Amino acid sequence: KQEVTQIPAALSVPEGENLVLNCSFTDSAIYNLQWFRQDPGKGLTSLLLIQSSQREQTSGRLNASLDKSSGRSTLYIAASQPGDSATYLCAVYDDYKLSFGAGTTVTVRA
Amino acid sequence: GAGVSQSPSNKVTEKGKDVELRCDPISGHTALYWYRQSLGQGLEFLIYFQGNSAPDKSGLPSDRFSAERTGGSVSTLTIQRTQQEDSAVYLCASSLEKRTSDEQFFGPGTRLTVL
Repeated sequence: KQEVTQIPAALSVPEGENLVLNCSFTDSAIYNLQWFRQDPGKGLTSLLLIQSSQREQTSGRLNASLDKSSGRSTLYIAASQPGDSATYLCAVYDDYKLSFGAGTTVTVRA
Repeated sequence: GAGVSQSPSNKVTEKGKDVELRCDPISGHTALYWYRQSLGQGLEFLIYFQGNSAPDKSGLPSDRFSAERTGGSVSTLTIQRTQQEDSAVYLCASSLEKRTSDEQFFGPGTRLTVL
């Protein structure tokens, strides 16, 4: 069974600092990997989808890398803002099922 | 265009009652998924529908849970004889079709509270 781990569980940084969020998975035979953002009491907002043939994906201040051989992905958020405060979830595609990590809760202090 | 919609957004029920949760996928999406997000278990897969194929029910936690999808569009998740451990946020997602490269798009969820 695929196990997805996110470290750290929580992170607090001052505004302007870069964020580094880590995701690891036990079975490297994944298809895609997706990063989501979840605000309190809300649903999931997709941030980046990295397909299995890709090594990274970028959108604005966000960059996500994928290393299937080592079972790792990293989400970088440049120049953090208070509006980036949320829980970030990593999910891997085991065929069509998503296996989620427990998330990293980020607080960006103004 | 319109995203995935779910109703109700919140549902409070008494233990032992039946509840129905509804999901409207993105128009044209043939694959539909239900997930559950609970405090103790995180986000977990429940059930998957693809076109007219038999659904994958492997994630349903007990036989009190069932789901159907009518006309290849709207889906209803039914929980019979609800228990307090059923309290969670139920999320629905859809994708264009069942291919491993197809991105899943999530609805806002239904928060279920069983008293």
